[in-house]
Amino acid sequence: DGGITQSPKYLFRKEGQNVTLSCEQNLNHDAMYWYRQDPGQGLRLIYYSQIVNDFQKGDIAEGYSVSREKKESFPLTVTSAQKNPTAFYLCASSPSRTGSTEAFFGQGTRLTVV
Amino acid sequence: SQQGEEDPQALSIQEGENATMNCSYKTSINNLQWYRQNSGRGLVHLILIRSNEREKHSGRLRVTLDTSKKSSSLLITASRAADTASYFCATRAGIQGAQKLVFGQGTRLTINP
Repeated sequence: DGGITQSPKYLFRKEGQNVTLSCEQNLNHDAMYWYRQDPGQGLRLIYYSQIVNDFQKGDIAEGYSVSREKKESFPLTVTSAQKNPTAFYLCASSPSRTGSTEAFFGQGTRLTVV
Repeated sequence: SQQGEEDPQALSIQEGENATMNCSYKTSINNLQWYRQNSGRGLVHLILIRSNEREKHSGRLRVTLDTSKKSSSLLITASRAADTASYFCATRAGIQGAQKLVFGQGTRLTINP
């Protein structure tokens, strides 16, 4: 099946640890995005990538890092510098860098600091 | 920064009634999109309207766009219990090759049977 897969679905992190959230797509999409969603809130853009080996900061990039070494993969690392990482994280991809197309979302990863 | 702001934040109606949600945005856009999110899940694309379009239909959905007022509305006709979800507008802006997809805060829609 074609689609975008996030893993794991649930993730628990101890204070001071880095954790990496996986996002893989087999849709051959150029653009990929990471969003953070807090309870009852909208989506805030963390990072986005328009093409392999290139990415840009979104509105809340501090405490996060990404890489885009392969077209199909856009992992997000939540570092210990992110002071309030408990949230729902959503990855998305879209076919075109020019933006005239819809985005496809994964099912999300719920991260909890314990 | 949030580009789109939805209104109302929450809406509760009876099954069969129409639901209208509004979205306002701040900067010039290439297109505006509406998405739906069931609780705890990813978002699903509903409809896209380009900046040179004024109205678009898809099944029970009707979207309007007023670029002079920087606003859009989503109308769901003959609502069903299964329409209960959060609805978000999203805008694309920026020069080619550097376009972000920015979402609003969402409207939580509850359809009462």
